[in-house]
Amino acid sequence: RKEVEQDPGPFNVPEGATVAFNCTYSNSASQSFFWYRQDCRKEPKLLMSVYSSGNEDGRFTAQLNRASQYISLLIRDSKLSDSATYLCVVNGEDSSYKLIFGSGTRLLVRP
Amino acid sequence: DVKVTQSSRYLVKRTGEKVFLECVQDMDHENMFWYRQDPGLGLRLIYFSYDVKMKEKGDIPEGYSVSREKKERFSLILESASTNQTSMYLCASSWDRGNEKLFFGSGTQLSVL
Repeated sequence: RKEVEQDPGPFNVPEGATVAFNCTYSNSASQSFFWYRQDCRKEPKLLMSVYSSGNEDGRFTAQLNRASQYISLLIRDSKLSDSATYLCVVNGEDSSYKLIFGSGTRLLVRP
Repeated sequence: DVKVTQSSRYLVKRTGEKVFLECVQDMDHENMFWYRQDPGLGLRLIYFSYDVKMKEKGDIPEGYSVSREKKERFSLILESASTNQTSMYLCASSWDRGNEKLFFGSGTQLSVL
């Protein structure tokens, strides 16, 4: 079983739609969780950290469910510019240095 | 703005060649990392370093070595390139232990023929 699993998609949604991605992780001892965004042929960039209490940044909301070992990302009012691959990232069990990346969920927002 | 610079955007090498990938960061970050990214596999950690002259193996170190002689520079070395090392290589840096926000370079697409 992969340490971090994501649905590869693509999720194809119209502008203005709400879309949600989930990501499951296998290590119950993980403490740090993140969503990164990667545009086509570009490097990943941090989108947001995921806190136990959940957090919101504009149209983006991230949630953590420790009991079921998944994190989620909700995007409201999708824009064309949201089209990208979203990477779920979890820290490894042995140290905070080792971040484990999911293989990403691809989002396509159409006009 | 933090800048992580990788020396080459595209690189084509032949099997058996020694390959050097260079990475420089300009923000005095303690930690530096080398990942490779392959379709369907995500980013996988090759090596990382949390201090000058220090290095730690990641998940897939076989066939690679690294060098960190100066804080700002972290080099990835393929001693004898093989076709299965064809990949996108991404360098990243971060402030220090406990701060996991990674800043990535723009990547080097390496093709080994």
